Amino acid sequence: GIQVEQSPPDLILQEGANSTLRCNFSDSVNNLQWFHQNPWGQLINLFYIPSGTKQNGRLSATTVATERYSLLYISSSQTTDSGVYFCAVLILTGGGNKLTFGTGTQLKVEL
Amino acid sequence: NAGVTQTPKFRVLKTGQSMTLLCAQDMNHEYMYWYRQDPGMGLRLIHYSVGEGTTAKGEVPDGYNVSRLKKQNFLLGLESAAPSQTSVYFCASSPRQGAGYGYTFGSGTRLTVV
Repeated sequence: GIQVEQSPPDLILQEGANSTLRCNFSDSVNNLQWFHQNPWGQLINLFYIPSGTKQNGRLSATTVATERYSLLYISSSQTTDSGVYFCAVLILTGGGNKLTFGTGTQLKVEL
Repeated sequence: NAGVTQTPKFRVLKTGQSMTLLCAQDMNHEYMYWYRQDPGMGLRLIHYSVGEGTTAKGEVPDGYNVSRLKKQNFLLGLESAAPSQTSVYFCASSPRQGAGYGYTFGSGTRLTVV
């Protein structure tokens, strides 16, 4: 099956710093999602981004499908950004859509 | 609020006991999924359903059964719980239209098997 790798696995930032999270995937995909799992365990969808660049406030994401990677940028980080960031790739099949997750980047933003 | 609702939120079972986790969605989504999340391993697909009355195996189906008798509900059953099934379980749903539409996740069920 498809492999999804995320880096770095752990990241500690001072509030106000910027960061870039990376997601590499081993095969062509139909779509890609970035999720934030907050400290209470809730999974929040950030972006659907099969290709190109999207921005939402302090967050932006870029997917280069031909090179099989995606980047999530966090600018001016805040303590509320803490949690785990997952990349997940979507492959359409005849029997349903399959979302395969990476192992995540654990982010901690400190004052 | 529209979305995916999971019950219960927490449960402790003894080895060998059975239980059912309930997932309900009110977005009229065709597809529903059960995932488990273990430390350092991301989320892994247990079972999924592409419509009422259908179910299929995912990546880690052993020890679980599912049913989708109504479109809005997807049940996950553990017939004889084992400590290896201690995990956080997430339900999700998505429209049938495919790649342009993402998943919506429930808030999770934390299950401990002792």
